[in-house]
Amino acid sequence: NAGVTQTPKFQVLKTGQSMTLQCAQDMNHNSMYWYRQDPGMGLRLIYYSASEGTTDKGEVPNGYNVSRLNKREFSLRLESAAPSQTSVYFCASTIDSFAYEQYFGPGTRLTVT
Amino acid sequence: QKEVEQNSGPLSVPEGAIASLNCTYSDRGSQSFFWYRQYSGKSPELIMSIYSNGDKEDGRFTAQLNKASQYVSLLIRDSQPSDSATYLCAVNESGGGADGLTFGKGTHLIIQP
Repeated sequence: NAGVTQTPKFQVLKTGQSMTLQCAQDMNHNSMYWYRQDPGMGLRLIYYSASEGTTDKGEVPNGYNVSRLNKREFSLRLESAAPSQTSVYFCASTIDSFAYEQYFGPGTRLTVT
Repeated sequence: QKEVEQNSGPLSVPEGAIASLNCTYSDRGSQSFFWYRQYSGKSPELIMSIYSNGDKEDGRFTAQLNKASQYVSLLIRDSQPSDSATYLCAVNESGGGADGLTFGKGTHLIIQP
């Protein structure tokens, strides 16, 4: 039981490049989330998926897109990376959107130059 | 706007003493409260959840909730150097919003051997 997994662990992009961050969970959770964490800013919600087939914007969605591929997988895409998107990205999941106990993946450290 | 406030610290506590971490929240209708521990360079790890007024104990950890005063605290007894980490307080919004939790920015705890 791996819990929540994320790939890649580290990534360096040039401004304007695109990439997709992958997240998968094996806990049969319905709800999944993408956060970014910046020094002094705490965790900020980018997008979430309350259940398979639905996605919604969080606090800071600009510059990102998401896909809930199936119940297990939730990906985050940066179409044209900007230096302001340099951050640590965490994926999290919970059994359903009203349970609230979220479990986090190990994170992706992204640098945009 | 939902707000969760924590003193950023650092909070320095001698080994073996009680560490007391505090959190206040703005949404009076919040129902669920969580403490996460985050080691440097790692992802947040859920350590305590509390849903009703009073104390909840789990090993060396005690969570305390006072909804009338809108604060939640975490006590760590017999503090160990391995407890040195950043502790995040998280709160759900009232109404059971599917976007999940609002996180504080965290308190940096240092346990001095």
